[in-house]
Parts: sequence; C-alpha cells; structure tokens
Amino acid sequence: QVQLAESGGNVVQSGRSLRLSCAASGFTFRSNAMHWVRQAPGKGLEWVAVISYDGSKKYYADPVKGRFTISRDNSKKTLYLQMNSLRAEDTAIYYCARDLWGDSSYGSPALIDWGQGTLVTVSS
Amino acid sequence: DIQMTQSPSSLSASVGDRATITCRASQTINKNLNWYQQKPGTAPKLLIYAASSLQSGVPSRFSASGSGTDFTLTISSLQPEDFATYYCQQTYTPPLTFGGGTKVEIK
Repeated sequence: QVQLAESGGNVVQSGRSLRLSCAASGFTFRSNAMHWVRQAPGKGLEWVAVISYDGSKKYYADPVKGRFTISRDNSKKTLYLQMNSLRAEDTAIYYCARDLWGDSSYGSPALIDWGQGTLVTVSS
Repeated sequence: DIQMTQSPSSLSASVGDRATITCRASQTINKNLNWYQQKPGTAPKLLIYAASSLQSGVPSRFSASGSGTDFTLTISSLQPEDFATYYCQQTYTPPLTFGGGTKVEIK
C-alpha cells in the first residue's frame, strides 16, 4: 500500500533553515506530482508547494515563495522541502501528499494520499 | 490568488441527518474543486475530486456538485464516523487554495 513518511521536523530559531523529507513507497514515485501542505496549530489547511513528476514544474504559495524550495529525487523515491529564513508563522505540521496525476497537463490536481505529517516549530 | 469561502464554518447535526456544506470561489474555477475530510490528529483524506467524482473507497452517502464559482458537498445521512472537519480546495490554478473548513459536530 501507499506510504508517505515525513521527517525532519524540529524546533528551530527564527531566521534559520530546515529541510523536510518525505520517503515514498508502495507506488511508482516518478509517475506522480507531489505536494506539501501545512497546518498551523488549531488552524486550517494551507497548500505550500507542488512539483511535477519529473521535477520540471514547481509552484509555491505566496507566503513561502523565495524562501522555500521543493525538490525530489526519483531514484531515492524522496520528496524534499528546503525551508530558509524561517518565521514564527511557518510553525505548523507539514504534510506531503501524492497527486492523482503526473502534472496538471494530465488532469486537475487531487491529493489522493497523505503522510502523517512532521511538526516544525519556529521560535522567536 | 483565488479565495475559497466555505459556509457554514461549523454545523451541529444528529446521526441520520442530511448535511450540506457550500464553497464559493472568488472567480470561476470550472469544475476544479476537491473536498477533503479531516479528523482530529490525523491527515486529511480526499473525498471528492473534479467537483463531483467520488474517490475510491468513499461511501456513496457523500456527494458533491457545482461548477464555476459555487459548489456543494452533501452527506445524505450522517454517520458517527462523519463528524469531522471538511475542506474544499480549488485546483484551477496555483496557488491551490483551501477553504477555511467546516466543522461538523454532533448535536
């Protein structure tokens, strides 16, 4: 079965960097676009970023544009989120999620499988 | 960016009741709209994609409709396991914004 396992969450000071990983198994990783979605404590869902199946297309939410970078290593079946210049408002559980499609040219995105999330806490 | 507005933000209902949640987009998104369910302490789960397509394994008491700017999620007969928070998400264009959520509580 599909498994997505996030790691790398931690307590970090404002202004520092952190890299999250998402290890995938149970499906052909190189065939699907992948997303990061976050949820601040007690708040709703916030979409963060998406990367196409081959890494050629990347899109970001405005609050993280220029600070966060999504990437993937299809040989390692792993998704990454490099987070720089972290702020208190980046504190959240970060989920990785598998898209139904390889990229939006195949179909409208749908996040069909999710990991359990990893907690990032940014202290000021 | 496209803003997604859900209503109500919460609703109280009994087992067996019909529940309806609406989602409005700030501009037309055709049928590029998904619905998710999230229970406390767990990851979200996809219920509906492309406005009205039921994800595999999701009970048929869940249905959805809409296109353009106005969308609806309906639970025909609430079951105990349906008490959760529901989110819509537009996938018409990045950023792929979520609605604020609707918490369905037991009356």
